Amino acid sequence: GNSVTQMEGPVTLSEEAFLTINCTYTATGYPSLFWYVQYPGEGLQLLLKATKADDKGSNKGFEATYRKETTSFHLEKGSVQVSDSAVYFCARMNSGYSTLTFGKGTMLLVSP
Amino acid sequence: GAGVSQSPSNKVTEKGKDVELRCDPISGHTALYWYRQRLGQGLEFLIYFQGNSAPDKSGLPSDRFSAERTGESVSTLTIQRTQQEDSAVYLCASSFSGRGETQYFGPGTRLLVL
Repeated sequence: GNSVTQMEGPVTLSEEAFLTINCTYTATGYPSLFWYVQYPGEGLQLLLKATKADDKGSNKGFEATYRKETTSFHLEKGSVQVSDSAVYFCARMNSGYSTLTFGKGTMLLVSP
Repeated sequence: GAGVSQSPSNKVTEKGKDVELRCDPISGHTALYWYRQRLGQGLEFLIYFQGNSAPDKSGLPSDRFSAERTGESVSTLTIQRTQQEDSAVYLCASSFSGRGETQYFGPGTRLLVL
């Protein structure tokens, strides 16, 4: 079935460090891929998405590239800020273009 | 506000009691989704409503779980005879048409079954 695997957290970084959160998905077709973010006390928000192979989604300094060869959609940011501290979820669209399958989430903690 | 809203934000109940969770989607969104987030787990899909079509109930974990939606507006998720393993955050999301479009999430209802 459909699944998404992302690295376990927490990921702890100092401010201005480089961030990578790995995400891989099961390769049934070419699903749209997403990163959602959940800030403390808030609901899930879409961070970025990519709908086809080699697409790069980007937002707020975060980027992720849809790699069909490695079935990956790793999230990166060149210089993290304390305000980026949150839980990040990778997700794939399921067949039928309706529901999403999510990874377990990765907590990011950024210290000053 | 214009976002998805859910109520209550927190619910504590005793094992065996029934609970109802409410979701108000974004106005004009025809698709509505319920997910569950248990501690340390990712989001699990529960049920999906799209317009007037029959809902996709394939994610409901047992017949104690049911959901209804009135037209293209409010939805209620009902859990009967709650068990401790039902403790989780229940998230509702909506999207404009459901056809691969971005899903917008509410803040969730945190359910604790004692």
